[in-house]
Amino acid sequence: KQEVTQIPAALSVPEGENLVLNCSFTDSAIYNLQWFRQDPGKGLTSLLLIQSSQREQTSGRLNASLDKSSGRSTLYIAASQPGDSATYLCAVGNFGNEKLTFGTGTRLTIIP
Amino acid sequence: DAGVIQSPRHEVTEMGQEVTLRCKPISGHDYLFWYRQTMMRGLELLIYFNNNVPIDDSGMPEDRFSAKMPNASFSTLKIQPSEPRDSAVYFCASSRQTGSSYNEQFFGPGTRLTVL
Repeated sequence: KQEVTQIPAALSVPEGENLVLNCSFTDSAIYNLQWFRQDPGKGLTSLLLIQSSQREQTSGRLNASLDKSSGRSTLYIAASQPGDSATYLCAVGNFGNEKLTFGTGTRLTIIP
Repeated sequence: DAGVIQSPRHEVTEMGQEVTLRCKPISGHDYLFWYRQTMMRGLELLIYFNNNVPIDDSGMPEDRFSAKMPNASFSTLKIQPSEPRDSAVYFCASSRQTGSSYNEQFFGPGTRLTVL
């Protein structure tokens, strides 16, 4: 059974700093990994999706990497802004079905 | 596109009552997912459909929960009878099948259910 872990559960950094969020998974037989953002009381917004054959994806100030062999993914946020404050969740899709297994998320606070 | 639409956004009901949550997926998407989010258990997949057919309902907690998708643009999740432990945020998501099988899921705003 796939298990997805995100550590730390919460992170606070000053505005302008670069930061890395971590995601680890137990079963390396994945076909994709997706990073989401969730604002308080809102739904999930898809940020980046990495196919199993890819090693990274970039969108603006965000860069997500994937290392299947070690069961890890990172989300790099450059030049953080107060508007980046939110909970970030990673989700792993395994072969054979369309299900996503979610991590418990990292609550990020950017301090102005 | 308006995105995934869910209604109602908030629902407060009393234990034992029937609750029906509704979802309209993004037009052209052929997968629809129902999730539940709680502080204790995080996000859990309840059931998903492909082309209106239920594919996997192994996450449905018990017989009190049922889901239908009568057509490509509408799905319901019903709880009967509701219990306080069903209180959670219920999300609907949809995706479009691609040849490369890496379907990106798009989420609705959720329905916050409170059972008293």
